[in-house]
Amino acid sequence: RKEVEQDPGPFNVPEGATVAFNCTYSNSASQSFFWYRQDCRKEPKLLMSVYSSGNEDGRFTAQLNRASQYISLLIRDSKLSDSATYLCVVREYHTGGFKTIFGAGTRLFVKA
Amino acid sequence: ETGVTQTPRHLVMGMTNKKSLKCEQHLGHNAMYWYKQSAKKPLELMFVYNFKEQTENNSVPSRFSPECPNSSHLFLHLHTLQPEDSALYLCASSQEGGGGAQNIQYFGAGTRLSVL
Repeated sequence: RKEVEQDPGPFNVPEGATVAFNCTYSNSASQSFFWYRQDCRKEPKLLMSVYSSGNEDGRFTAQLNRASQYISLLIRDSKLSDSATYLCVVREYHTGGFKTIFGAGTRLFVKA
Repeated sequence: ETGVTQTPRHLVMGMTNKKSLKCEQHLGHNAMYWYKQSAKKPLELMFVYNFKEQTENNSVPSRFSPECPNSSHLFLHLHTLQPEDSALYLCASSQEGGGGAQNIQYFGAGTRLSVL
């Protein structure tokens, strides 16, 4: 089982739609969670951190479910500019250090 | 502008060449990373430096040689590369430790490398 798994997509949605992505992680000791966004041929950029209580930033809502070991990202009222690859990121802490694991990403295309 | 600068942005090299990629972070972070991203593939972590010490080397071939002279600079020295090494090479930095820090990685724009 991969350490961090995402549905690669692509998700093709019309403008204004609501779309949700899930990401599962294998290590129950994982401590920090993030969603990054990567545009075509650009570097990944932090979209939002994921807190235990869930958090919202405008049209974006992130949730963490520790019991089932997954995080989710919900995008409401999709815009054309939301088209990108969304990367799930999990941080694990081990004796002597840390490890940051990036998922392979979920591709989103928002169409007019 | 994320505070992480990579040069050059594009590089074309032959298999017998020697070149270096440079990364500089202006964020005061204590950890730096090299990643490789091939077309339509996920990010692959190559090297991690924490407080200038290499803490991770993910079985990267010896034709890639990292150097971290100080906590703000990171180099990736390249020699006798293969065409399959053509990819986007991304540098990132983060602030590790400090209790409660978010440890978010900030990426440079990358160097797009083509090996002929």
